[in-house]
Amino acid sequence: NAGVMQNPRHLVRRRGQEARLRCSPMKGHSHVYWYRQLPEEGLKFMVYLQKENIIDESGMPKERFSAEFPKEGPSILRIQQVVRGDSAAYFCASSPPTGWNTEAFFGQGTRLTVV
Amino acid sequence: GQQLNQSPQSMFIQEGEDVSMNCTSSSIFNTWLWYKQDPGEGPVLLIALYKAGELTSNGRLTAQFGITRKDSFLNISASIPSDVGIYFCAGQLGAGKSTFGDGTTLTVKP
Repeated sequence: NAGVMQNPRHLVRRRGQEARLRCSPMKGHSHVYWYRQLPEEGLKFMVYLQKENIIDESGMPKERFSAEFPKEGPSILRIQQVVRGDSAAYFCASSPPTGWNTEAFFGQGTRLTVV
Repeated sequence: GQQLNQSPQSMFIQEGEDVSMNCTSSSIFNTWLWYKQDPGEGPVLLIALYKAGELTSNGRLTAQFGITRKDSFLNISASIPSDVGIYFCAGQLGAGKSTFGDGTTLTVKP
């Protein structure tokens, strides 16, 4: 039973480019969450998605950031026109459908470096 | 928004010692979670707590969900070198979305 898979593990982008981060949830999990972690800090919630729906995007910056979880395929976190401050580790987590234990399991993260 | 205060920020202990860390919040949570993160990796779930007052163990780890629902602690008994890492508490109010503490960095000296 594969865990949460994120790719790429490391991503380097120049200022102004786009970054696309992918997350495949665990088998049987229909909920996906994205978190951002700056060095020596905890994880900060960004967005919560179910298939084809954004449930809670209260942690997403208003501009340049978007997320989707299509009917088929992985969830994508997209950052347009990246700036140096976007450099961070981005973690995806997944959990089973509502009504089950709701603890989330995390992927290994994508470390984004903006140069 | 909700915030968690996790303490201590770091701990340096001798192998074999017991460890205790805790999290407090100004607001209630319905679920408390404890994670461990190794360098370059994602957080790994250690213990999940679902009811106020619940005390749960996982090997040498014991965690409790505070009666007020605003706090939780994690104890590690007889620490070993592989316990080194960053420990995070996280609280959940609704389905899945977690609020994380800033972590406790544990160093174990052999």
